[in-house]
Amino acid sequence: NAGVTQTPKFQVLKTGQSMTLQCAQDMNHNSMYWYRQDPGMGLRLIYYSASEGTTDKGEVPNGYNVSRLNKREFSLRLESAAPSQTSVYFCASRKQMNNLPFYGYTFGSGTRLTVV
Amino acid sequence: SQQGEEDPQALSIQEGENATMNCSYKTSINNLQWYRQNSGRGLVHLILIRSNEREKHSGRLRVTLDTSKKSSSLLITASRAADTASYFCATDGREETSGSRLTFGEGTQLTVNP
Repeated sequence: NAGVTQTPKFQVLKTGQSMTLQCAQDMNHNSMYWYRQDPGMGLRLIYYSASEGTTDKGEVPNGYNVSRLNKREFSLRLESAAPSQTSVYFCASRKQMNNLPFYGYTFGSGTRLTVV
Repeated sequence: SQQGEEDPQALSIQEGENATMNCSYKTSINNLQWYRQNSGRGLVHLILIRSNEREKHSGRLRVTLDTSKKSSSLLITASRAADTASYFCATDGREETSGSRLTFGEGTQLTVNP
């Protein structure tokens, strides 16, 4: 059981370059999320996908796009990277149920991105 | 904007002591969750308390929730050096069937000295 797998773990980009962060989960979870974590800011939601085929903006979506490729995979794309996007990016998933009980999130180990 | 605010920002205690962290939030919630993050790692879910619950236990963890004061506390009893980590509270304001979206606080850095 790998849980939530993120690739790559580290990346350095030049301003204006593009890249896609990959995330896959093997727990058959319905919902998937992308967060960014900056020092002193906690985690902020970028985009999420409540179920396969749907995506919605979170708190800080500008400069990002997402694709829910299938139930397992949820990718985050930076079309034109900016220094302000230097951060640690976390993917998470959750079993979404229509009835109780509630479930916590399972997080990946993160992608540390530096934009120079 | 962050929903949760945690207090203190940093806490340093000796092994064997209890550690208490507090979380305040602004809007109504469906449930509140606590997570731990070891340095350089992802977050690990610790415990979830629903809005109609007042207290919950899991091993050495005790969580309380006061919805009238919009606050929660996490108590770690008999702390160990391995408990050294950042602890985050996160609130979920949506109905379960509408799709969960967690909003995180800024975290408390706990250091347990051997």
